[in-house]
Amino acid sequence: DTEVTQTPKHLVMGMTNKKSLKCEQHMGHRAMYWYKQKAKKPPELMFVYSYEKLSINESVPSRFSPECPNSSLLNLHLHALQPEDSALYLCASSPQGGAGELFFGEGSRLTVL
Amino acid sequence: GQQVMQIPQYQHVQEGEDFTTYCNSSTTLSNIQWYKQRPGGHPVFLIQLVKSGEVKKQKRLTFQFGEAKKNSSLHITATQTTDVGTYFCAVNTNAGKSTFGDGTTLTVKP
Repeated sequence: DTEVTQTPKHLVMGMTNKKSLKCEQHMGHRAMYWYKQKAKKPPELMFVYSYEKLSINESVPSRFSPECPNSSLLNLHLHALQPEDSALYLCASSPQGGAGELFFGEGSRLTVL
Repeated sequence: GQQVMQIPQYQHVQEGEDFTTYCNSSTTLSNIQWYKQRPGGHPVFLIQLVKSGEVKKQKRLTFQFGEAKKNSSLHITATQTTDVGTYFCAVNTNAGKSTFGDGTTLTVKP
């Protein structure tokens, strides 16, 4: 069981669609992360929010837009994606910024047609 | 940026055999974490090592951090089929990033 909840678990979208991935944690953690994971590869960091402010953007294309409405919620807005963006998108949280122990959600598996 | 090399990429063992995966860095690490990801699952935190020469045990799992804080290992004694999955090490940078090694995928033959 994970205390980081991600929705939806699966998402299929066309290249012209707009969709959002959602992540929620109620552990009082102050840092939240988006990772992208392709098959048989390690998770790759996309964004870090620390105390609700975007602290790291790993040069992610603008078709991915993160949002942190409050300390418990993290969204990833998707627009005009490409088929190569198909991957498992993992949300994680940690008690404070600076990484350390990461608590991952189960992920949202995205397929872009 | 901070990089860590993890070997081997794959390991196939017979149930009951031991297993070890290694992570190596060219620079001194402040700490290192280990995660396990089951097939079709998500990474699950196992442990964090911080001190030079640190050794920690969790049942059949033994984690070590090198004296120079440049390498780490995860050793599983007498593997079981429940141990299958990919084991990742991860290191933190001063910028607050957590970078993962490429992982070692363990398969266990009953």
